[in-house]
Amino acid sequence: DAGVIQSPRHEVTEMGQEVTLRCKPISGHNSLFWYRQTMMRGLELLIYFNNNVPIDDSGMPEDRFSAKMPNASFSTLKIQPSEPRDSAVYFCASSPTSGRADTQYFGPGTRLTVL
Amino acid sequence: GEDVEQSLFLSVREGDSSVINCTYTDSSSTYLYWYKQEPGAGLQLLTYIFSNMDMKQDQRLTVLLNKKDKHLSLRIADTQTGDSAIYFCAEGHNTDKLIFGTGTRLQVFP
Repeated sequence: DAGVIQSPRHEVTEMGQEVTLRCKPISGHNSLFWYRQTMMRGLELLIYFNNNVPIDDSGMPEDRFSAKMPNASFSTLKIQPSEPRDSAVYFCASSPTSGRADTQYFGPGTRLTVL
Repeated sequence: GEDVEQSLFLSVREGDSSVINCTYTDSSSTYLYWYKQEPGAGLQLLTYIFSNMDMKQDQRLTVLLNKKDKHLSLRIADTQTGDSAIYFCAEGHNTDKLIFGTGTRLQVFP
């Protein structure tokens, strides 16, 4: 199994541009999570889906952020317009279970730099 | 609200034991976890403990839970340079959501 796949691994963009981060969860997993990691705030849960349905988006910082999961094998996190303070590493994770959190598998992350 | 705190840095000599500490505020936590993050990688689950346990041992790793004090620790015996990483404590309930600590950067020197 290839594990959780994220693309791109690195993204550099200018302030005001739209950014789309992509995630392919492990096949058969039914929960998907988006996290953001920064030095200042540590690891924050942005949103998570269960069976493609958003369950908790209370961590999404503001309306500039949106996430979708059109099917069980693909999710996107979009930032529009991007700002320098969005610079961070964004992780996607997936889990095969619902109701227990002991098996979240993390992707390698996307390092986003907004100039 | 829920909060998980850890010290930021720990430096140990190779071969010594490392003890990474974590405190949490939510007494209703069902599971407590330790994750490891190596440079440039995502988080990897090391071990977890149910809240009705007070100790779990897995090879070089020992997890101790003091539920009264809401204190969790991870002991790594015979620490190796490959153990150098950031270690995250996290708490969870009977849901998918985890609350992570700030992470402790462990540096192992020869």
